[in-house]
Amino acid sequence: GQNIDQPTEMTATEGAIVQINCTYQTSGFNGLFWYQQHAGEAPTFLSYNVLDGLEEKGRFSSFLSRSKGYSYLLLKELQMKDSASYLCAVNTGGFKTIFGAGTRLFVKA
Amino acid sequence: ETGVTQTPRHLVMGMTNKKSLKCEQHLGHNAMYWYKQSAKKPLELMFVYNFKEQTENNSVPSRFSPECPNSSHLFLHLHTLQPEDSALYLCASSQEAVSETQYFGPGTRLLVL
Repeated sequence: GQNIDQPTEMTATEGAIVQINCTYQTSGFNGLFWYQQHAGEAPTFLSYNVLDGLEEKGRFSSFLSRSKGYSYLLLKELQMKDSASYLCAVNTGGFKTIFGAGTRLFVKA
Repeated sequence: ETGVTQTPRHLVMGMTNKKSLKCEQHLGHNAMYWYKQSAKKPLELMFVYNFKEQTENNSVPSRFSPECPNSSHLFLHLHTLQPEDSALYLCASSQEAVSETQYFGPGTRLLVL
């Protein structure tokens, strides 16, 4: 079956660093996405990994290990506006992208 | 502003009603998607259209009927829904459907009474 696991909730402090993990077991793999979704809003694209390694984009970085079926999203210098849900998603080939249930991140002052 | 708009933003309907959700993308994309997002559950892919042709129907009940008249517009026609169909319905688009970033609309919050 297809499965994407990520923690349900995390809490971190403003200015700190947080790592959100994602593990996946899918029948195919054509890349892994991270999306951010604020409450009541649309998901917005954060990052895409298709090769192993780290992709850095400003305060956000995403890592992929295809052999381990593992990814993480690293958020640095946390800000209050980073409080949101973070969705891990895998394109399994063709037109299908499977999403995890999301990790709700709470950033406290 | 993501370039993908959805109307209505909120909808309350009875189980015997017929209603339609509309999605429009202004990004020049060729692929459009319908997703269902229920509380604390992953986004579920419902339908995919690529160049107006349906390429995916993820075992969706026939009470949901999609329509894609052109690459910019996507509809979801609803009839005889059940209370468990209450959810956020998200539309998305991408340039092509393979390994491309999807751009999401704000969603329609549907409540079935």
